Amino acid sequence: AQRVTQPEKLLSVFKGAPVELKCNYSYSGSPELFWYVQYSRQRLQLLLRHISRESIKGFTADLNKGETSFHLKKPFAQEEDSAMYYCALISGYSTLTFGKGTMLLVSP
Amino acid sequence: NAGVTQTPKFQVLKTGQSMTLQCAQDMNHEYMSWYRQDPGMGLRLIHYSVGAGITDQGEVPNGYNVSRSTTEDFPLRLLSAAPSQTSVYFCASSPVGDRGPFFGYTFGSGTRLTVV
Repeated sequence: AQRVTQPEKLLSVFKGAPVELKCNYSYSGSPELFWYVQYSRQRLQLLLRHISRESIKGFTADLNKGETSFHLKKPFAQEEDSAMYYCALISGYSTLTFGKGTMLLVSP
Repeated sequence: NAGVTQTPKFQVLKTGQSMTLQCAQDMNHEYMSWYRQDPGMGLRLIHYSVGAGITDQGEVPNGYNVSRSTTEDFPLRLLSAAPSQTSVYFCASSPVGDRGPFFGYTFGSGTRLTVV
């Protein structure tokens, strides 16, 4: 069965520090992975799709099939990056399986 | 283009009451789903639908019913509300086939439900 693991419930950093939000997955097929972001009490928004290899708001994520990881990185955190981040995996027929999320707090 | 619209935004129910959470999308997406969001649990799939007339259960379907009579609407029914159903509920949609799911989901703004 597919599974997404985000080992950190909370990540607290200072403004300007590098950020890495960890995501590991378990899936027997070829994975399609996403990062979603949820700002305070708002709807979830798509941040990144691994197949597009794009950089959004300075965030990047690389799929490492050997380590079954899809960590989200940003070299210099900003206060407006404070949010809940969810890693998600497409499985089956369009079904997204989410990790439990990591709250990122960026302090001034 | 409204995207995914959920109503109501807030609701308080008494134990045993029933209600329907509404979800509508205007993007002609075939796939629609309902998730509940709880602290420390992430998002868990309740029910989903791959097209009108087709629904299936997700990870936590007990206590909930769905139907999909049109492409646009995917209501979630709570049959007899329980305090354990206190949560934030999100509806999401996506195209399938060549147009998706690789583009990911579009989410509604959520319904915050409290059962007392």
